[in-house]
Amino acid sequence: EADIYQTPRYLVIGTGKKITLECSQTMGHDKMYWYQQDPGMELHLIHYSYGVNSTEKGDLSSESTVSRIRTEHFPLTLESARPSHTSQYLCASSPRGLGGGELFFGEGSRLTVL
Amino acid sequence: GNSVTQMEGPVTLSEEAFLTINCTYTATGYPSLFWYVQYPGEGLQLLLKATKADDKGSNKGFEATYRKETTSFHLEKGSVQVSDSAVYFCALSKAAGNKLTFGGGTRVLVKP
Repeated sequence: EADIYQTPRYLVIGTGKKITLECSQTMGHDKMYWYQQDPGMELHLIHYSYGVNSTEKGDLSSESTVSRIRTEHFPLTLESARPSHTSQYLCASSPRGLGGGELFFGEGSRLTVL
Repeated sequence: GNSVTQMEGPVTLSEEAFLTINCTYTATGYPSLFWYVQYPGEGLQLLLKATKADDKGSNKGFEATYRKETTSFHLEKGSVQVSDSAVYFCALSKAAGNKLTFGGGTRVLVKP
């Protein structure tokens, strides 16, 4: 069982609100990722980090931002939520090293913006 | 760029039936290939992987063989159970780093 936690699991908010989705892992992994999963199930990488103070944009453009001040923590923030941000957000982590490719996923945060 | 194409679902079958989910990929070099599974209400978890041509990954009765000549990594299970109902994702990563490229996912529903 992976030790990666996401909160909240479910969030319903109004348009214009600021939200932060939390992601923490206790495995000491250097690499962390945020994926957006649309209703059709497809996964899109929106942010990733290879270590503290390192963040990069993913393949899908997103209005969200991330920070990596501590190894174990990788929060995602939306300054002003809109209905188009309604989605499931999955956080993942992986250990340092070439190849491998095994990602450990949290259970996801399902965001609904009204 | 890299891409993964897998068969669209949903795939509905009866318990003890044979399951195949097709997956093909496009990538330069020699990627590693993976199958992830997402059970209802959960995140993804690694099901199996193969890191070089002709490797066979296996886990929980599932198997997939890395076929470089056909750029495929089809998932198979000989006798499915209701508990195998889930969404299955094929994915690849290049040798350097762990960024994964996922296919679109295939929902499988096994009926008793």
